[in-house]
Amino acid sequence: EAGVTQFPSHSVIEKGQTVTLRCDPISGHDNLYWYRRVMGKEIKFLLHFVKESKQDESGMPNNRFLAERTGGTYSTLKVQPAELEDSGVYFCASSHGLAGNQETQYFGPGTRLLVL
Amino acid sequence: GENVEQHPSTLSVQEGDSAVIKCTYSDSASNYFPWYKQELGKRPQLIIDIRSNVGEKKDQRIAVTLNKTAKHFSLHITETQPEDSAVYFCAASTYTTSGTYKYIFGTGTRLKVLA
Repeated sequence: EAGVTQFPSHSVIEKGQTVTLRCDPISGHDNLYWYRRVMGKEIKFLLHFVKESKQDESGMPNNRFLAERTGGTYSTLKVQPAELEDSGVYFCASSHGLAGNQETQYFGPGTRLLVL
Repeated sequence: GENVEQHPSTLSVQEGDSAVIKCTYSDSASNYFPWYKQELGKRPQLIIDIRSNVGEKKDQRIAVTLNKTAKHFSLHITETQPEDSAVYFCAASTYTTSGTYKYIFGTGTRLKVLA
């Protein structure tokens, strides 16, 4: 079974530019999560999709961040315009989605974003 | 809001010794506690987890203990080996008002096992 994949693995952009990160969850997983880790700090929750619906976006920093999951498969996270403080590692995770159960989340390798 | 405190931030042990990483959570409704290991350049991977109806769980050299009253949980690695060197993250899972579960992570512990 293929794991969660993310693209790109690294991205270096200038302040004010736009970057789009992509996550492909494990096939059949309804739940998809985005997280971010800033250097030395916790892995912080950004948002949660169930299929194509945003269930919880309480962790999104501001309206410069836009996440989509059209069709309930892969997801994109766009940062526009990027600021210096957006630098960090963005992780995606997925879980199956059996109703009412707390399930293991499987993580992707992350996208390391550096905003200069 | 909810938070998870994790200590220590770095830990160096001699090969063969034990390592203990401790976490404290704030939300008494948390009911699932996974531990992830992230090796350099790799993805975080689940190594062990514990649910709130269990006080201890063991898997070979790794064990996790949970004290619900104190809201503490700990990871214990015995007979450490160089390949145990990694960053370890604890997390507490809480049921949200939107009807889903959310992980709150600790800040990570960088474990170095010295050969």
